[in-house]
Amino acid sequence: QVHLVESGGDVVQPGRSLRLSCSASGFTFNTYAMSWVRQAPGKGLEWVAVILYDGSNKWYADSVKGRFTISRDNSKNTLYLQMNSLSPEDTAVYYCAREISFYFDHWGQGTLVTVSS
Amino acid sequence: QSVLTQPPSVSGAPGQRVTISCTGSSSNIGAGYDVHWYQQLPGTAPKLLIYGNTKRPSGVPDRFSGSKSGTSASLAITGLQAEDEAEYYCQSHDSSLTRVFGTGTKVTVL
Repeated sequence: QVHLVESGGDVVQPGRSLRLSCSASGFTFNTYAMSWVRQAPGKGLEWVAVILYDGSNKWYADSVKGRFTISRDNSKNTLYLQMNSLSPEDTAVYYCAREISFYFDHWGQGTLVTVSS
Repeated sequence: QSVLTQPPSVSGAPGQRVTISCTGSSSNIGAGYDVHWYQQLPGTAPKLLIYGNTKRPSGVPDRFSGSKSGTSASLAITGLQAEDEAEYYCQSHDSSLTRVFGTGTKVTVL
């Protein structure tokens, strides 16, 4: 069965960087687009970024464009999110999700990123 | 970027029918793009409930149904049950291919 496991969440100071990982199993990873979606404490879902199955194209939410980079290593069945210049507004649970035709059919359990001095 | 608007909360007694609206614009739902729905139980990850406006993934009860018209979509829950108490989100994408979520609706079973 499809299994997505995020890792890398931590407490970091404003302005610092962090890299999240999402390990995928149970499906042919290199045939699916993958997204990151985040949820600030007590708030709704916010889509962050998507990368196509082969890494050829990426799209970002305006709120993270220029600061975050989504990437993937299909040989390791792993999705990444490099987050730079973090601010307290980036504090959230970050989910990775498998995408089919612009919807998310499987989600990981999430990893918490806290940006605080 | 665009966002889809949902009512903050809806409620109903067990067995009743409730509906959740999702209002977009001409750059997303009104452009003909599909709407999808997710259920998020407290403390858990979202779960796909409806995709492609009306389709239910395997395992989702037929008490849940979706519809779409113009720049809006709706999720209906018939025969409301205590286990349906959760947050519900609609989702689509816009003409720049960015994905957008609704503001979320808390369903309370009275």
